[in-house]
Amino acid sequence: QSVLTQPPSASGTPGQRVTISCSGSSSNIGSNTVNWYQQLPGTAPKLLIYSNNQRPSGVPDRFSGSKSGTSASLAISGLQSEDEADYYCATWADSLNGPVFGGGTKLTVL
Amino acid sequence: EVQLLESGGGLVQPGGSLRLSCAASGFTFTNYAMSWVRQALGRGLEWVSAISGTGVSTYYPDSLKGRFTISRDNSKNTLYLQMNSLTAEDTAIYYCAKFSDGYYYGALADWGQGALVTVSS
Repeated sequence: QSVLTQPPSASGTPGQRVTISCSGSSSNIGSNTVNWYQQLPGTAPKLLIYSNNQRPSGVPDRFSGSKSGTSASLAISGLQSEDEADYYCATWADSLNGPVFGGGTKLTVL
Repeated sequence: EVQLLESGGGLVQPGGSLRLSCAASGFTFTNYAMSWVRQALGRGLEWVSAISGTGVSTYYPDSLKGRFTISRDNSKNTLYLQMNSLTAEDTAIYYCAKFSDGYYYGALADWGQGALVTVSS
């Protein structure tokens, strides 16, 4: 059972916009910034969004993040087949004094 | 270009020990806190441990404290994870990762390719 709650799956067709939610609490998302990681099949996770809504260099602007209260969202617009991957939200847990991850959302491009 | 290369994974019997290494390059190693994150097959990500840039401070989740020990050798640009009293539940891919801003907080900006640890008799 992950500290952060994500839907196990999401799907969309090419060109569509999809969103993935991440729900936490006041002691994690509510008091810290949120990061998102993309894990393509058979590869290591890659930082996709940091500090709620910032994109590292090289990440397309089709990817965007937001946070409100104790929840966060990742939006992917103009969905492409290469976006098919697992997506994980993460933040800091004050009680743990360390990072916590969501259970991951498997995105399927139909 | 940041590179993180894990090694030392393999098959170990229950109750055994294993030490993972992570060779870092492409950045000033001593300036960055580092972390280990693991992923059981078909499962999500789990934070395992972290260490400050100097190596003075180490961090663990309560569930792993006492069995796992993180350390670093800044003269060799290498991160380590000593794992003792291993059980089948420790079977996973172990990733070495670098914190984005140097200090112990926030995003893990760079990840290694992972080292597979299998605990089985």
